[in-house]
Amino acid sequence: DGGITQSPKYLFRKEGQNVTLSCEQNLNHDAMYWYRQDPGQGLRLIYYSQIVNDFQKGDIAEGYSVSREKKESFPLTVTSAQKNPTAFYLCASSYASGYEQYFGPGTRLTVT
Amino acid sequence: QQQVKQSPQSLIVQKGGISIINCAYENTAFDYFPWYQQFPGKGPALLIAIRPDVSEKKEGRFTISFNKSAKQFSLHIMDSQPGDSATYFCAARAANAGGTSYGKLTFGQGTILTVHP
Repeated sequence: DGGITQSPKYLFRKEGQNVTLSCEQNLNHDAMYWYRQDPGQGLRLIYYSQIVNDFQKGDIAEGYSVSREKKESFPLTVTSAQKNPTAFYLCASSYASGYEQYFGPGTRLTVT
Repeated sequence: QQQVKQSPQSLIVQKGGISIINCAYENTAFDYFPWYQQFPGKGPALLIAIRPDVSEKKEGRFTISFNKSAKQFSLHIMDSQPGDSATYFCAARAANAGGTSYGKLTFGQGTILTVHP
């Protein structure tokens, strides 16, 4: 099966804890992206990576961190510095040109 | 200048009607305009896309109309069905600064479409 997997589907954490969201793709895409989705606010870019061992901040990177050690994997850590972490997180991938992006099924994070 | 403005925020259409969602942009460097469809609790799925050298693209009941001079593009869903009820996002792609072939998408705010039976 080709595609993008995100795990877990639902995640619950206490305030003050860091949490890492997983994203894996087997589409042989060079580029990977993390978006945050809140009701009525569309998709906001957190971080993106267009090649292994390199990544760039998106529009709302504060309180998040990423790594890109393998082409297939792009984990996102939501740190305790993120003031409002409860949201639906979406991972996507594409060829480096950034044209057709394909999305994973998302992880819903709830922090209380 | 990187923004893509989408309207309306929500849209209610009767079964069999035409749904129209509009997007506008400022950045003339955008070179690819996709539309995504998202069902509740799922990731967005690429629906249809257009490049700026074409004024219209049709795939089944879905049509993109593109007006380069007005910097606007729209999605038309003909014969709308209850199964089309979803959130629709427009987007635009621009190359990264520095002349590389890399690029990324900027998304509109989304339109919640409800098709009544």
